[in-house]
Amino acid sequence: DIQMTQSPSTLSASVGDRVTITCRASQSISSWLAWYQQKPGKAPNLLIYKASGLQSGVPSRFSGSGSGTEFTLTINSLQPDDFATYYCQQYNIYWTFGQGTKVEIK
Amino acid sequence: EVQLVESGGGLVQPGGSLRLSCAASGFTFSSYEMNWVRQAPGKGPEWVSYISSTGATIYYADSVKGRFTVSRDNAKNSLHLQVNSLRAEDTAVYYCARLYGPGSSGYMDVWGQGTTVTVSS
Repeated sequence: DIQMTQSPSTLSASVGDRVTITCRASQSISSWLAWYQQKPGKAPNLLIYKASGLQSGVPSRFSGSGSGTEFTLTINSLQPDDFATYYCQQYNIYWTFGQGTKVEIK
Repeated sequence: EVQLVESGGGLVQPGGSLRLSCAASGFTFSSYEMNWVRQAPGKGPEWVSYISSTGATIYYADSVKGRFTVSRDNAKNSLHLQVNSLRAEDTAVYYCARLYGPGSSGYMDVWGQGTTVTVSS
């Protein structure tokens, strides 16, 4: 099974900050990685696919990069609506999610 | 509007069964592969099951293999998950999600709102 490890688990930031979340895969997954945002009581919402593809309707302040086993999600100029939990997910072999990174208000 | 709506969750005793359903609208359901994903309280999402667009190919996570059965009815735009021999650790919100991308390596671009399954005596 492919394991996904995110860091940090919690991130404290202020509106306007640039934040970066890291995701590592236990084996190479090429670029078969997605990022989701989830707010309490809601379903995950797709932000990024294929490591760096921006899903339609997602603000351009969100960006993804990486390949192989190391990936990052960057949020430029954090907005109040961005305080949420973020998950990476591989879809190279079946589907596995990271444990999540909660972005909270500093 | 593209939409997925789950139903069928509830409170069930250990060893019990439920049939979860997912109604699709706003897109050609028969053209898409689908997943079930669950999320236990305070935990990250966990993939549960995959079904191809025709229903010919099915996969399950090891944690549910032999207890859960996925099916679909393309004529009725519906997806189902029969969950049997339920355990406390199956307590979760269950989501259906549409897959987009090549073959069975797609990402989940549309999600339902979820239905809650609680296993407790």
